[in-house]
Amino acid sequence: DVVLTQTPPTLSATIGQSVSISCRSSQSLLHSNGNTYLNWLLQRPGQPPQLLIYLVSRLESGVPNRFSGSGSGTDFTLKISGVEAEDLGVYYCVQSTHAPYTFGAGTKLELK
Amino acid sequence: EIQLQESGPGLVKPSQSLSLTCSVTGYTITSGYDWSWIRKFPGNKMEWMGYISYSGSTNYNPSLKSRISITRDTSKNQFFLQLNSVTTEDTATYYCARWNYWGQGVMVTVSS
Repeated sequence: DVVLTQTPPTLSATIGQSVSISCRSSQSLLHSNGNTYLNWLLQRPGQPPQLLIYLVSRLESGVPNRFSGSGSGTDFTLKISGVEAEDLGVYYCVQSTHAPYTFGAGTKLELK
Repeated sequence: EIQLQESGPGLVKPSQSLSLTCSVTGYTITSGYDWSWIRKFPGNKMEWMGYISYSGSTNYNPSLKSRISITRDTSKNQFFLQLNSVTTEDTATYYCARWNYWGQGVMVTVSS
């Protein structure tokens, strides 16, 4: 199975601060069809996960553009440019290039 | 608006079967996409369990071996999860999802 290593496990930020989360894969997530199926999810307390970013860098409809994704192959990053209070929760990377699909262990974003 | 809603018992005895229903509104499950079951264990760990595609094909996480079955009722626009021979390690919140749309989740406890 593909192992996704997410760092850091916890992130403390002030409102307005920019932060990044890393997701590294044990093997390339480039599919034979040319797509890289790496998504980023946010789970706020008491809510189901919400899709933020798909295909590495595409912003899901309705998601603020302070969220951005980048990377390729085995190394990916989610950046929040100016944290807002509503961004608190647990962030997950998830890959659906190789079955079984797998998740990172999560990064908890807290207010400092 | 697309909505997914899980339903099923919140308590299952060890060795019995866990059965959940996902009711989808706003989109016909035979029109496209893969429809997944995903679970979140106490703590942050997330696991993709499997999916049924719009065509009816299935793909399961090998970690669940022969215990899992995902089926559907196209007349009701529902899909189902059955997990056999459950143990306390199957205690989790279960979500049905289409990556960009998620149900609210149902917490299932396995206990005698």
